[in-house]
Amino acid sequence: AQTVTQSQPEMSVQEAETVTLSCTYDTSESDYYLFWYKQPPSRQMILVIRQEAYKQQNATENRFSVNFQKAAKSFSLKISDSQLGDAAMYFCAYRSADGANSKLTFGKGITLSVRP
Amino acid sequence: GAVVSQHPSWVICKSGTSVKIECRSLDFQATTMFWYRQFPKQSLMLMATSNEGSKATYEQGVEKDKFLINHASLTLSTLTVTSAHPEDSSFYICSARKVGSNQPQHFGDGTRLSIL
Repeated sequence: AQTVTQSQPEMSVQEAETVTLSCTYDTSESDYYLFWYKQPPSRQMILVIRQEAYKQQNATENRFSVNFQKAAKSFSLKISDSQLGDAAMYFCAYRSADGANSKLTFGKGITLSVRP
Repeated sequence: GAVVSQHPSWVICKSGTSVKIECRSLDFQATTMFWYRQFPKQSLMLMATSNEGSKATYEQGVEKDKFLINHASLTLSTLTVTSAHPEDSSFYICSARKVGSNQPQHFGDGTRLSIL
């Protein structure tokens, strides 16, 4: 079974600074997807960024980028120019590319606070 | 973009009653829908996966007679918490995915259930 590990429960960053959230996973599959989701206090789940395992290029979405290291099974999220609205809980997630019913496996999440 | 509507957003009811939560995909056909439960400051716990027209697949430890899931159409899935008790109080989130294993998963805004 696949597992996703987010070892840091909390992090804090100064507004306008850069922060990196770490995530590791374990799988025996070669084809899969990795995601970072943001859950603000409203508790809505928002997709931040997605990475296909077969792509070597790291995904980027504006201020958000990932460092995908397939061999090391590492998938960290970098948030540049942090804003107050970035404060939220962030979840790393894995999903197999095999099958229409493949499920998302979430990490425990990390609470990010942004200091003004 | 793809939208998933979940209703109600908040419900308070007496112990022993049954509560139905609806999840609708508004602008796409969702062959697969997922139901999650989330406790404060914790990750999402998958309860069951439902496919249109067939019985839901429940995760280990989830009582299928307590949490009834119906996926009657490609745009609607319902979760009924039967004979609810205070320990069923939680945040429930649905998610829907379009046809195809490479499609992203879209989340509803969640339902906060409080059983008195």
